[in-house]
Amino acid sequence: IVMTQSPDSLAVSLGEMATINCKSSQSLLYSTNNKNYLTWYQQKPGQPPKLLISWASARESGVPDRFSGSGSGTDFTLTISSLQAEDVAVYYCQQYYSTPLTFGQGTKLEIK
Amino acid sequence: QVQLQESGPGLVTPSETLSLTCTVSGGSVRSGTYYWSWLRQPPGKGLEWIGYIYDSVSTNYTTYNPSLKSRVTISVDTSRNQFSLNLSSVTAADTAVYHCAGSGSHSYFDTNGHKRLSFNWFDPWGQGTLVTVSS
Repeated sequence: IVMTQSPDSLAVSLGEMATINCKSSQSLLYSTNNKNYLTWYQQKPGQPPKLLISWASARESGVPDRFSGSGSGTDFTLTISSLQAEDVAVYYCQQYYSTPLTFGQGTKLEIK
Repeated sequence: QVQLQESGPGLVTPSETLSLTCTVSGGSVRSGTYYWSWLRQPPGKGLEWIGYIYDSVSTNYTTYNPSLKSRVTISVDTSRNQFSLNLSSVTAADTAVYHCAGSGSHSYFDTNGHKRLSFNWFDPWGQGTLVTVSS
């Protein structure tokens, strides 16, 4: 499954909304449990990725509520409602619907 | 809380085998709770999943990325609570930060109504270790 993120990079002013899109080459919605097998990570320089969102929209414990995930099937979105300086990072989507497990190419988020 | 730490040589000669170990603390590598994965990230680039091993008292299996399958072996050492990666015939293209990670699991019913076990997202992660392939 090919994962494609857009845009590749994004510059947003502090306090403004940031939106990152992720599209999969096939549906990530499993019919019997109605779950989307899509997760979002945040990666800062020199650190491993940090889990933000699982099942496309379930925020991980401790993740600020300005982060939200949405979408279903093949189209997904990560939204940061009010950008903070500490949100500067590269964001990745990843599917766990089937192997090989695959990631989007990443979106670099910067402050405008 | 499970924590992971990679170890191994930071420099490997082309055509040789890259060998890394991930030490698991705060849990058992044979608990059957986690799928244990290796991933890599070339400098300045994105993430690539290499493969995983699932090890429990009753079963043990591996799944590899087809792009690397012919060169990869992932194994578990229960006596040391570790899992390992061997990547053979390396080239400069294998230069990357290598991460070990755990994936939890969930149950679901397949379209035939059979209960199955599958993997979740990657959490926790090791810090990562840079391996450079160069002569």
